[in-house]
Amino acid sequence: NAGVTQTPKFQVLKTGQSMTLQCAQDMNHNSMYWYRQDPGMGLRLIYYSASEGTTDKGEVPNGYNVSRLNKREFSLRLESAAPSQTSVYFCASSARVGGPNANEKLFFGSGTQLSVL
Amino acid sequence: QKEVEQNSGPLSVPEGAIASLNCTYSDRGSQSFFWYRQYSGKSPELIMSIYSNGDKEDGRFTAQLNKASQYVSLLIRDSQPSDSATYLCAVFYNQGGKLIFGQGTELSVKP
Repeated sequence: NAGVTQTPKFQVLKTGQSMTLQCAQDMNHNSMYWYRQDPGMGLRLIYYSASEGTTDKGEVPNGYNVSRLNKREFSLRLESAAPSQTSVYFCASSARVGGPNANEKLFFGSGTQLSVL
Repeated sequence: QKEVEQNSGPLSVPEGAIASLNCTYSDRGSQSFFWYRQYSGKSPELIMSIYSNGDKEDGRFTAQLNKASQYVSLLIRDSQPSDSATYLCAVFYNQGGKLIFGQGTELSVKP
C-alpha cells in the first residue's frame, strides 16, 4: 500500500523556470492538500481540494496553481519560480475519522525539496 | 494574527520530565484539533486528536482542549530522548474545510 506518493523528491530550478509537482494517493480519500514548510514557519497551506472537482486557496497561494486531475491525483504548478519559493513541499490526503465533526487525519507524502536559484 | 499559534521553542526538558506544549487558535467555530510529530527530515505523523473539551490520554501523551479559551495543549509524561522532535498543532476550520498548522515547537529531551 503506497499511501501518498510525491514526485520528484528533489528539484533545483532557475528563477523563471516552471515545473509541476505531482501527488497521487491510493487510499480513496476525498481531500488533498499542498503545504510548504520553511524553517520556523511550520506547515503553511498553499491550496487544497476538499473533493474531486474543487480546489480552494489556502494561506499562501500566490505564485502557485493546482489541478485536481481526478480523485487520486493533485498537482501543484509553479509557473515562474522565484527564490522565495525555495522550500520543502508536502502533499497530503485525508480520511474522515471519528464522528460527523471529526476531521481530518492527514496522510503525508515524503516531501519535495525545491531550490530556486 | 496567525490562525494557529505555538511557542516556537526550542523547549528543553530532562529525560523523565513532563513536556508541556501549547497552542492557541483564532476560530471559535473549530471542532477538531490535532497534534503531529515531525522528526528532522521526515514527514509529520499524527499522534493525538481531540474534539471535546477536557483531557484525552493515550499512553504517555495527554491532549487538553479548552474551547472557551481557544487553547489546546499536549503533555508528554516520562519524556524520552526519542521524543525529541518538532510538534505541530493543527486545527480544522469547518468554513472551507481546511486544516491549518501552527509554526511548530521544537522539543529536545536531554538524557
